[in-house]
Amino acid sequence: KNEVEQSPQNLTAQEGEFITINCSYSVGISALHWLQQHPGGGIVSLFMLSSGKKKHGRLIATINIQEKHSSLHITASHPRDSAVYICAVQSGANSKLTFGKGITLSVRP
Amino acid sequence: GAVVSQHPSWVICKSGTSVKIECRSLDFQATTMFWYRQFPKQSLMLMATSNEGSKATYEQGVEKDKFLINHASLTLSTLTVTSAHPEDSSFYICSSRLAGGPFSYEQYFGPGTRLTVT
Repeated sequence: KNEVEQSPQNLTAQEGEFITINCSYSVGISALHWLQQHPGGGIVSLFMLSSGKKKHGRLIATINIQEKHSSLHITASHPRDSAVYICAVQSGANSKLTFGKGITLSVRP
Repeated sequence: GAVVSQHPSWVICKSGTSVKIECRSLDFQATTMFWYRQFPKQSLMLMATSNEGSKATYEQGVEKDKFLINHASLTLSTLTVTSAHPEDSSFYICSSRLAGGPFSYEQYFGPGTRLTVT
């Protein structure tokens, strides 16, 4: 079993829809990262969470440490949100990241 | 936010030659830089962790003599793929971690370098 599981694996949505991407992990962590990778390959760090909730524009990330679960929400989705969304966990400040396989999101106009 | 650059963004080289990829943290100091490799349709795989002024720590299965890492300053790390072969063709990504302080968990990723070995 992978330490980091993401669901669903692929997701297609209509422009304007509210989207939720989930991440579950099985190890104790000190931080969880949400990353975005566009088709060109470059990776953008969206959020780093250790507790609670963060919001940036149309993106909201939440984490429940007790349940070992995090969600990334996209409100008013747009075709430019189409990308791979990767969840990664970190067990300590100096530890490496463990990555999920990523979710491929496609938002149709 | 913090910016990490990589150079080149893409490179094509012939089998047997060596290729150097640079990773720079442009507006912050990074004591630690990470090098990842990503094959098509797969997630990032950590190759090595590079600490400024010391030898890199390589992950199991990654040949340190083939993938030479130098982290000579707090803003620059280089990865040299020596005697490249077609199977080394991949997307190489670096990330930098802010030096110390309350944000030491944060990592910033470079845009990646696509290597094609013919």
